[in-house]
Amino acid sequence: SQWGEENLQALSIQEGEDVTMNCSYKTYTTVVQWYRQKSGKGPAQLILIRSNEREKRSGRLRATLDTSSQSSSLSITGTLATDTAVYFCAETNYNVLYFGSGTKLTVEP
Amino acid sequence: AQTIHQWPVAEIKAVGSPLSLGCTIKGKSSPNLYWYWQATGGTLQQLFYSITVGQVESVVQLNLSASRPKDDQFILSTEKLLLSHSGFYLCASAGTGGDERLFFGHGTKLSVL
Repeated sequence: SQWGEENLQALSIQEGEDVTMNCSYKTYTTVVQWYRQKSGKGPAQLILIRSNEREKRSGRLRATLDTSSQSSSLSITGTLATDTAVYFCAETNYNVLYFGSGTKLTVEP
Repeated sequence: AQTIHQWPVAEIKAVGSPLSLGCTIKGKSSPNLYWYWQATGGTLQQLFYSITVGQVESVVQLNLSASRPKDDQFILSTEKLLLSHSGFYLCASAGTGGDERLFFGHGTKLSVL
């Protein structure tokens, strides 16, 4: 899981497998975002989930939010080699977007 | 669609030398703007944000300063670089009116030697 972790987590899977990444957020927040960052590029937002949604889907992505445990997850189904990237969760608090430590996902073709 | 142009793409600088990084946003008026720093293999740390011209708020103290001289421009600078300033600097823009999504530029890779 991200947050509270000092080092980037790493996962390596085969193309076609499903994967779930988790993060725990620190503050009371109503919005959690997930970003993907490919090597040498700026992050790009994948999905935003609000506290009243619990689950949100976008194509092969599924995000969940559990406000009682202050945790969120991002699942990718049928991974592709192009999904290889670092995935960050992020929470907003007064104009500051706090990013988790990230999960480095490698999808082998 | 908004675009974010950062300059330079990469810099190699000596410890103690000055630095100026820039960011220009096109396609969005009066955006909220942000500077982020990322160590190699690390997470993103927000440094500054600005919601309007001439106003900049600092989030962390890293011996850096930021300015917003124009609505579409955000500048990050320091008079004396430290080794610890090395990393990847990212400018980001968000829409106003409740859009929390951030759009990031391509970043500037800074190496301080």
